[in-house]
Amino acid sequence: QIQLVQSGPELKKPGETVKISCKASGYTFTDYSMHWVKQAPGKGLKWMGWINTETGEPTYADDFKGRFAFSLETSASTAYLQINNLKNEDTATYFCAREGYDDAMDYWGQGTSVTVSS
Amino acid sequence: DIQMTQSPASLSASVGETVTITCRASENIYSYLAWYQQKQGKSPQLLVYNAKTLAEGVPSRFSGSGSGTQFSLKINSLQPEDFGSYYCQHHYGTPTFGGGTKLEIK
Repeated sequence: QIQLVQSGPELKKPGETVKISCKASGYTFTDYSMHWVKQAPGKGLKWMGWINTETGEPTYADDFKGRFAFSLETSASTAYLQINNLKNEDTATYFCAREGYDDAMDYWGQGTSVTVSS
Repeated sequence: DIQMTQSPASLSASVGETVTITCRASENIYSYLAWYQQKQGKSPQLLVYNAKTLAEGVPSRFSGSGSGTQFSLKINSLQPEDFGSYYCQHHYGTPTFGGGTKLEIK
């Protein structure tokens, strides 16, 4: 069955870097693009961007340009989200989500909690 | 960017009732509209895509409608497992989510 399994919770200090993984299984990784979505505590869903898993080309939403980086390890069917120079407002749960047919997000990872605190 | 306005922000209903959540797009998105359900502490689950197509395994008490800028999600005969948060999202170019609707038990 199709699964997206994300890495575990992270506790970081401001200014540090975090790298979250999203390992896909049950389908051909390069056939479907991967999206990243942020959910701050008690808030709604915010689209961060997506990465073309065939070419590796990332696209970032305006609010996520600069400190955020999407990458792939295709041989391991894994997508990564790296956040540099962490800020308190980066405290959130981050989800990866597969872009399915007709571009909706049909499978989601379980989420990775990132807490930024000094 | 296309903005998605969802209403109501919260909704209280009883088991067995029928509820409707609406979503308005700031410009024409044709039928590129998805609905997701999220339960507390869990990841979102796709319910509907292309405005009215139910995702695999979604019960038929859920239905989506609309096109252009006005959309709705209707849940007939609410079940205990239906309570949670619901989000619309357009998938026409750069995706945007609506603000969400929290559906609570009355």
